[in-house]
Parts: sequence; C-alpha cells; structure tokens
Amino acid sequence: QQQVKQSPQSLIVQKGGISIINCAYENTAFDYFPWYQQFPGKGPALLIAIRPDVSEKKEGRFTISFNKSAKQFSLHIMDSQPGDSATYFCAAPTTSGTYKYIFGTGTRLKVLA
Amino acid sequence: DAGVTQSPTHLIKTRGQQVTLRCSPKSGHDTVSWYQQALGQGPQFIFQYYEEEERQRGNFPDRFSGHQFPNYSSELNVNALLLGDSALYLCASSLGHRQSLNSPLHFGNGTRLTVT
Repeated sequence: QQQVKQSPQSLIVQKGGISIINCAYENTAFDYFPWYQQFPGKGPALLIAIRPDVSEKKEGRFTISFNKSAKQFSLHIMDSQPGDSATYFCAAPTTSGTYKYIFGTGTRLKVLA
Repeated sequence: DAGVTQSPTHLIKTRGQQVTLRCSPKSGHDTVSWYQQALGQGPQFIFQYYEEEERQRGNFPDRFSGHQFPNYSSELNVNALLLGDSALYLCASSLGHRQSLNSPLHFGNGTRLTVT
C-alpha cells in the first residue's frame, strides 16, 4: 500500500508547548522518512529525516520518533514558537533509494503567542 | 548560493491551452524532480530528470511532459489544460537521482497555475 497517513489535520498549541504530528505507513519497503515544513507562498523545506534503523533523531527543538513495529513515525516540536506556525508534511520514497516521494496530507500548525 | 528558482511565479491559462514552466536547480545539483501540489494537499510526484532523461514517473497522463537541458535546468510542459490542473507546481533538485542522506531534496517556491 503506497500511502502515508498523517494526523492531525490541524493543530493549535500554546507558545512553549509541545507539538506532536503523527504519520503511519503500510509499505515496509519505505527506507527513509523526511519531514518538510512549508510556509504560505513557499516551497517545502526539509526539517529533519530518519532511517528505520534509528528509533529517534533530534535536531534542536525537533525530534523524530520512529516505531518500526507499529509502522509509525512522529515529529515532536519542543518549546513551540509562533515562528513554527506552518504546514508540516511527512514523506517516504515510494521506490527505495529514490526521490520519488509520497507525501502525507499535511498538518497545519498554529502556535499562539 | 542560489537555491532552486522557478519561473514564472504565477500563471493564468485557459482550458485547452498549453503551458511551460521552468526550473533552475540549486547550484551543484544535477537532478530535477517535479511535483504537483493541489490546494490543501501534499505534493504529488510527476517525474524526475537526470542526465537529460526521464528516470522516474508518477501517475500523471502523457499531457505532462518535460525536458532537461545540458545545464541541468528543466521545463515542465502541460498540454490540453484542464480545470483540475490548477495547482502549485514545485520543482525540486538533488545531487544524483539516488536518495542520499548527504543530498536532501531541495524545493523551489513553485509556480501557481490557474486554469480558467
């Protein structure tokens, strides 16, 4: 099944709070899981990425948690800031080792000041 | 360091017309991928060009075609435009056509195509 299911569709968080976005997949051949951040009027920008041989990766306030047995991966944004307000997409390559990505439907995050 | 640049930024066309969108990859990149992003949706893969050849293709009809030039820039052509072709068209570049941790996919800001 070539799908990546993303939730929630939208999220409102207070400044300083934790934002959590989840993605689920079915194709166990997926071997790379990037997260993209997109601001209005801009193209997606790579935020952080993980391979399935790692259970967690942290870069600054952003952490990816990966659960291979459950076929799920999550983005955690710690100490969320108003500048983090954007749409976030999870993705995976439909063909192993390529840039032919399938994207989730996106999560619109709003961080209240 | 110039990122991925796309032109034009906005375009309005009439149903049945043809359109050409242009992309210059990030400096040092040799591979271009095109994605279509409908409003409120995630990007969908159209095709990828490497060494002036189409290497991968998504589920898009033959009305969508492309080209890559020797300087690695690329064009996306859409013929016989339909209302449903209205979307943001994103160009993304990479170094090599095989996924590498050291060469993530870089996106441009897109061309907003409106078909009336």
